[in-house]
Amino acid sequence: DAGVIQSPRHEVTEMGQEVTLRCKPISGHDYLFWYRQTMMRGLELLIYFNNNVPIDDSGMPEDRFSAKMPNASFSTLKIQPSEPRDSAVYFCASTRQGGPGSGELFFGEGSRLTVL
Amino acid sequence: DQQVKQNSPSLSVQEGRISILNCDYTNSMFDYFLWYKKYPAEGPTFLISISSIKDKNEDGRFTVFLNKSAKHLSLHIVPSQPGDSAVYFCAASDSSYKLSFGAGTTVTVRA
Repeated sequence: DAGVIQSPRHEVTEMGQEVTLRCKPISGHDYLFWYRQTMMRGLELLIYFNNNVPIDDSGMPEDRFSAKMPNASFSTLKIQPSEPRDSAVYFCASTRQGGPGSGELFFGEGSRLTVL
Repeated sequence: DQQVKQNSPSLSVQEGRISILNCDYTNSMFDYFLWYKKYPAEGPTFLISISSIKDKNEDGRFTVFLNKSAKHLSLHIVPSQPGDSAVYFCAASDSSYKLSFGAGTTVTVRA
C-alpha cells in the first residue's frame, strides 16, 4: 500500500510569495493531520480533519495559514504571504477510526519549506 | 504551552548498552501514549504505545514504562544498536485522534 504522499519535498521561496503544500492520505483513512516541525518546538499540530471536515484548527499560527480538504484523497496547506519564520518541515499524517493500531498516525516524508 | 516535554535533547550510548529516553506530560486527560522514531529526511514512524490502564508494554528490544502519578513515561531500548540512531518523539492523546508531541530526543549509538 502506498503511504502518505506529500509534495513538494522541498520548496524555496521568497518572503511574500504564496506557498501551497499538498497531501494525499492513505486510502481508507478518515483522519488527516498537518504538523509543523521546528527545532525549538518539535512537532506542532496545525489542523486536523475528519471525513474532510476541519475539526480543530487551533494550532494554525495566524490568518496567513489556511488548509482545505476538498475530498477524501487530497488536502492542501497554504501560506499567503509567506515569511522567513514559516521555514520548517511540514508533515501530513493520516489514520482511520477504529482500525488496527487505532490512534497511530502514519506520516508522509514531509515538505521542507525555506522562505528567504 | 507544551503539554508533552522531553527535557533531554540528545543522548549518546554505546552499542549494546541500554538507552533510556524520558518524557513528562502535564495534561491529566491524556490516556494513550506513543513513541515515534524519525530518521533524517523521513517522516516519523510509530514505534510503540501504551494505554493508561497499563504501566508497561514491551515489544522486542523496546519497552515503555508509564507512571501516571508522576505523569512520566520512559522508553528503554536494550540492547542499543547503530540502527537505533534517530530522533525519538514522545506523544500523547486524550481519547481523540489528536496527538501532542514532545520536542524530540536525538539518540546516537556509538559503535
